[in-house]
Amino acid sequence: EAGVVQSPRYKIIEKKQPVAFWCNPISGHNTLYWYLQNLGQGPELLIRYENEEAVDDSQLPKDRFSAERLKGVDSTLKIQPAELGDSAVYLCASSSDGVNTEAFFGQGTRLTVV
Amino acid sequence: AQSVTQLDSHVSVSEGTPVLLRCNYSSSYSPSLFWYVQHPNKGLQLLLKYTSAATLVKGINGFEAEFKKSETSFHLTKPSAHMSDAAEYFCVVSMGTGRRALTFGSGTRLQVQP
Repeated sequence: EAGVVQSPRYKIIEKKQPVAFWCNPISGHNTLYWYLQNLGQGPELLIRYENEEAVDDSQLPKDRFSAERLKGVDSTLKIQPAELGDSAVYLCASSSDGVNTEAFFGQGTRLTVV
Repeated sequence: AQSVTQLDSHVSVSEGTPVLLRCNYSSSYSPSLFWYVQHPNKGLQLLLKYTSAATLVKGINGFEAEFKKSETSFHLTKPSAHMSDAAEYFCVVSMGTGRRALTFGSGTRLQVQP
């Protein structure tokens, strides 16, 4: 079974430029998460989807960040415009239905804004 | 609201000696609890999970954790450290609908000395 797939693995952009990250969750997983991980810190939730619906986006900086999950499968996270402080690892995870199920994480996208 | 506190940011042990990584949680409801491990440049991997069954949970690679409700703790232990255990460890609490709202601790970096 394929795991959570994220692309790209690494991205370097200049500040004020747009950037997009893509995530393909494990087949059949209805819950999808985007997390932000700064160096030396634990992941922080940006947004959580149940199928196509964003059920928790309270921590998503909506002035510059946006996300979508069309058809309840793949998801894209976008930043426009990027700032120097956005340099971090962006993690995607998915989990199946049911109570107490663990989340499976992708390798992450390491973003560097210069 | 839910939160999790990892009491040590760094732990250093000698190979072959016991490992103790401490975690306390705060949750209004009966939570699910997880430990994840993150090796350098690798994705997050589930070590073990507690979901209100047995309070002593066994995980992969010889790790185990004990849920203590009276102490609101979920400490991770291993009888004998191996060099390959050197990594970042995250305690995670989950609650909410289907217990799919995951909150991460700040992490504990485990160093294993030869």
